[in-house]
Order: sequence, then structure tokens, then C-alpha cells
Amino acid sequence: GESVGLHLPTLSVQEGDNSIINCAYSNSASDYFIWYKQESGKGPQFIIDIRSNMDKRQGQRVTVLLNKTVKHLSLQIAATQPGDSAVYFCAEASSNTGKLIFGQGTTLQVKP
Amino acid sequence: EAQVTQNPRYLITVTGKKLTVTCSQNMNHEYMSWYRQDPGLGLRQIYYSMNVEVTDKGDVPEGYKVSRKEKRNFPLILESPSPNQTSLYFCASSLYGAVIYGYTFGSGTRLTVV
Repeated sequence: GESVGLHLPTLSVQEGDNSIINCAYSNSASDYFIWYKQESGKGPQFIIDIRSNMDKRQGQRVTVLLNKTVKHLSLQIAATQPGDSAVYFCAEASSNTGKLIFGQGTTLQVKP
Repeated sequence: EAQVTQNPRYLITVTGKKLTVTCSQNMNHEYMSWYRQDPGLGLRQIYYSMNVEVTDKGDVPEGYKVSRKEKRNFPLILESPSPNQTSLYFCASSLYGAVIYGYTFGSGTRLTVV
């Protein structure tokens, strides 16, 4: 069935290092992918998205990579800052169903 | 400011006492949805609405009702709350539907049913 998973529930990095958060998805029909950031006590916040006709998309300090061959999605955060500490969710959607499916989330901890 | 507003932020109630969680968006979005978030289970969709007077069940609709009489409002109704509905609830909206632009989420409502 459809599922979106993240490889690690928790990722701890040193301030200033780069972070890589991974996500595996199972629905090969998915054609739209989003990364969300959820800080404590707040709702999920859109970070960056990517469509299936792209392999890479860059934002401000963030890059999303999509590997459709192995159904893998990753979020790279450059020069990680304490304010990046949060839970990060990947989500996938298919134009056929119109439904957004969320993964479990990875907690990013940034050590000063 | 473009936003999704939920009320209340926190609510403690007793089993069986009907309650409504309100959700309003000021972005003229057509699509609105309710999610619940539980530890280890992630975000699960309860109900969604593609437009006014159009609603449909998500993955976990049991025990919930919704209505969409106006484009901006999408209240979540618990007719007879039970302790297993204790959760963190999020309302979300999107311009044309789930797959186009992603969702804008509200700040959440933490519900405790005792």
C-alpha cells in the first residue's frame, strides 16, 4: 500500500554542519513531493517541494533531491542553525488521487 | 496576513460532550482538510473538502463530522467525544487541491477527552 517513511527518527548534528534527512516512498505513481518543518507547538510549515519531472530543487539553504529509480527523497540543510531544530516530514502526492500522504517525521537536533 | 486560524488552541472536555473546533482561512482556498497527529502515527487525514458543500472522508473519519457552508470555514465536530480522540488536530488549506501547492496549516488544537 501507499506509505512514506523516513529512515531515521532522530538526527543530531553540530551547528554549522550540513544536515541530510532521508525519506523513502513506496507509491511509484506519486508525482509531487513536499518537505515540511514542524517546530514545537506549531503546525507544519512548508519548506520546499519538487515535482517528479525534476531531480533537484534548491531553496534558501535547503536542497531537495529526488531519486525516482529507488523512490528516495532527501532534504539537505546547509550550515545547520539552532533554529533548524524541529521535526521534518516528507509528504507525497499523486495527481491521480489528489491526496497528500505524510511520513512519520525525523527530529533534527542541532547541538551548539 | 495569509493564514489558517484554528480555535481553540487547547481544550479539555469530558466524554460525550459535543464540541466543535473551528477553522478559518483568509486565502480564498478551495481545498480544506483536517488531520490528527498522534505519536508514532504521524499525520492522518480525518476529512477533507474540495469546495463549498463538497466534503469527503479521509483515513480516520469515525467519530467526526465536518461541514463546509462557506469557503473560508471548515469546522470539525465531535458529536460524542471519547478518550481515543485525545490528540493534536490540524486544519489545512490549499488553493486548488492537495497536489498542486501543498498545504498551509493552522497552529493546531490540542484536545484532551477525559
